[in-house]
Amino acid sequence: ETGVTQSPTHLIKTRGQQVTLRCSSQSGHNTVSWYQQALGQGPQFIFQYYREEENGRGNFPPRFSGLQFPNYSSELNVNALELDDSALYLCASSLVGIHQETQYFGPGTRLLVL
Amino acid sequence: QKEVEQNSGPLSVPEGAIASLNCTYSDRGSQSFFWYRQYSGKSPELIMFIYSNGDKEDGRFTAQLNKASQYVSLLIRDSQPSDSATYLCAVIVNNAGNMLTFGGGTRLMVKP
Repeated sequence: ETGVTQSPTHLIKTRGQQVTLRCSSQSGHNTVSWYQQALGQGPQFIFQYYREEENGRGNFPPRFSGLQFPNYSSELNVNALELDDSALYLCASSLVGIHQETQYFGPGTRLLVL
Repeated sequence: QKEVEQNSGPLSVPEGAIASLNCTYSDRGSQSFFWYRQYSGKSPELIMFIYSNGDKEDGRFTAQLNKASQYVSLLIRDSQPSDSATYLCAVIVNNAGNMLTFGGGTRLMVKP
């Protein structure tokens, strides 16, 4: 167990709806990254939060947004859901610093968009 | 060209054999390299990280990095059926913050 938790574990939504996914980072970690993993593919970086600010973003549209709270927990929000948003959403926590970037993943949230 | 490439497999090895998993990357600015194991339906689990050229051993696992040739490999000695999983190679590129770029993964099957 990595100490990273995510909720909910599974979620079913319909196209056009909005969803919020939650993540609690491992104790002592100050950085949270979010990834999307489609079936049969490697995870793709969505964005990262450090000290409550976005610290990097992958090739995802603005309808993917996030927050980090003072206790380093984080939310991923997706608006106007599309069928292609169906995937496993992974949260990973880490420390910022040279050679301290190792990221530890939570169990993920499996989202199905119908 | 994909930034991080892996053979999707499946790679099938008999129990007790050495499994060799390979990964190539395109950005010479890559500075940190990771291997994750992912069981079906589960999230990625860190196996090893390597930063310097050469070999790094941890139990039955050895990571090998060759920056000149831009490849990183993972050797699993005495493979067990419980090693059957998808192995993901991930890279952090210099000045790209803490973003992991993953390959598509190699599915390993260890047959008893």
